[in-house]
Amino acid sequence: QSVLTQPPSASGTPGQRVTISCSGSSSNIGSNTGNWYQQLPGTAPKLLIYSNNQRPSGVPDRFSGSKSGTSASLAISGLQSEDEADYYCAAWDDSLNGRVFGGGTKLTVL
Amino acid sequence: EVQLVESGGGLVQSGGSLKLSCAASGFIFSGSAMHWVRQASGKGLEWVGRIRSKTNSYATAYAASVKGRFTISRDDSKNTAYLQMNSLKTEDTAVYYCATYDYGDPPFDYWGQGTLVTVSS
Repeated sequence: QSVLTQPPSASGTPGQRVTISCSGSSSNIGSNTGNWYQQLPGTAPKLLIYSNNQRPSGVPDRFSGSKSGTSASLAISGLQSEDEADYYCAAWDDSLNGRVFGGGTKLTVL
Repeated sequence: EVQLVESGGGLVQSGGSLKLSCAASGFIFSGSAMHWVRQASGKGLEWVGRIRSKTNSYATAYAASVKGRFTISRDDSKNTAYLQMNSLKTEDTAVYYCATYDYGDPPFDYWGQGTLVTVSS
């Protein structure tokens, strides 16, 4: 049972816009910034979004993040086949004094 | 180029011990907090713990699932972080990643390739 709650799966067709949610609490997303990772099979996670809505250099602007209260969201517009991957949200949790992750969302491009 | 290279994984019996290493290069290791994250096969990411820099008193923090069994340390002279794992359980079987991140200016977030730890009963 992950501290942050994500839907286990999401899907879309090429060109579509997909949104993945991440529900937390006042001790994590509610009081700290949210981050998003993309993980391709057999590889380490790659940072997509940090500080709720910032993109690291090299991440396409098709990826965007937002936060509202104790929830965060990742939006992917202009869906491409190479976006098929697992996506994880993450945040620091002040009560647990540790980093917490969502359970992951498997994105399928139909 | 930033590199984090984990080593030390392998097969160990339940109740046994293992020490993982994470060799770092390409960034100021001594000033960076180092984290360990694990991922069981087909499962999600689980934060294991972290050690902060000397400036922050090498403070450590651990997930409840490993507290009292795992110890994170570092040797800044060798640019290496360690994860000592004792009293291993079958549920500790996972790929273990070391990682470092700081979302200041400029932000960075780097992960190693991971090392597999298998705990047999």
